[in-house]
Amino acid sequence: ETGVTQSPTHLIKTRGQQVTLRCSSQSGHNTVSWYQQALGQGPQFIFQYYREEENGRGNFPPRFSGLQFPNYSSELNVNALELDDSALYLCASSLGRGGSQETQYFGPGTRLLVL
Amino acid sequence: GEDVEQSLFLSVREGDSSVINCTYTDSSSTYLYWYKQEPGAGLQLLTYIFSNMDMKQDQRLTVLLNKKDKHLSLRIADTQTGDSAIYFCAEGLTGANNLFFGTGTRLTVIP
Repeated sequence: ETGVTQSPTHLIKTRGQQVTLRCSSQSGHNTVSWYQQALGQGPQFIFQYYREEENGRGNFPPRFSGLQFPNYSSELNVNALELDDSALYLCASSLGRGGSQETQYFGPGTRLLVL
Repeated sequence: GEDVEQSLFLSVREGDSSVINCTYTDSSSTYLYWYKQEPGAGLQLLTYIFSNMDMKQDQRLTVLLNKKDKHLSLRIADTQTGDSAIYFCAEGLTGANNLFFGTGTRLTVIP
């Protein structure tokens, strides 16, 4: 039990729609990272937020965007959904500024299916 | 930091030791992590090792790091059926905020 929660657990959308996924970090954790895990693959880094500012981004298009709030919750928004966006979306929280040496604690994920 | 490789499958008998291997390519790795993912679940941190260490032991888990060969292994002693899962190695790089994950090794424990 990491203390990181995500909602919803499962979601089905159609191509072209928009989706918002939510994450609640451990209390006191200032950094949240989002990862996309396609079926049979390892997680791929989408972006990271530290104290409500974007703090690093992976190789994902601008239609993937995020927000982090002062109450340790955060959102991942995806516009103009494509079939390849079907994946498990994981958030992870860490205590400090989010360097690679910091332990990241993962939530259970949201499984998104795009039809 | 984007080429982290693992073999896809491993089967062992209950009570035997399991060894899961991982190779990485980036010499600026600082920490290397092992995560466990059970079906339908997120990632559970098992253990990690700093890049200036050769070995770390934590109960049934032993991590070995060969920095010269960029090879990392996770040994699970006395493997149990509850250890059946997918195991990911991940590297953290100097100056990067994220982790780079391998494709995962599916461990099946045969009773």
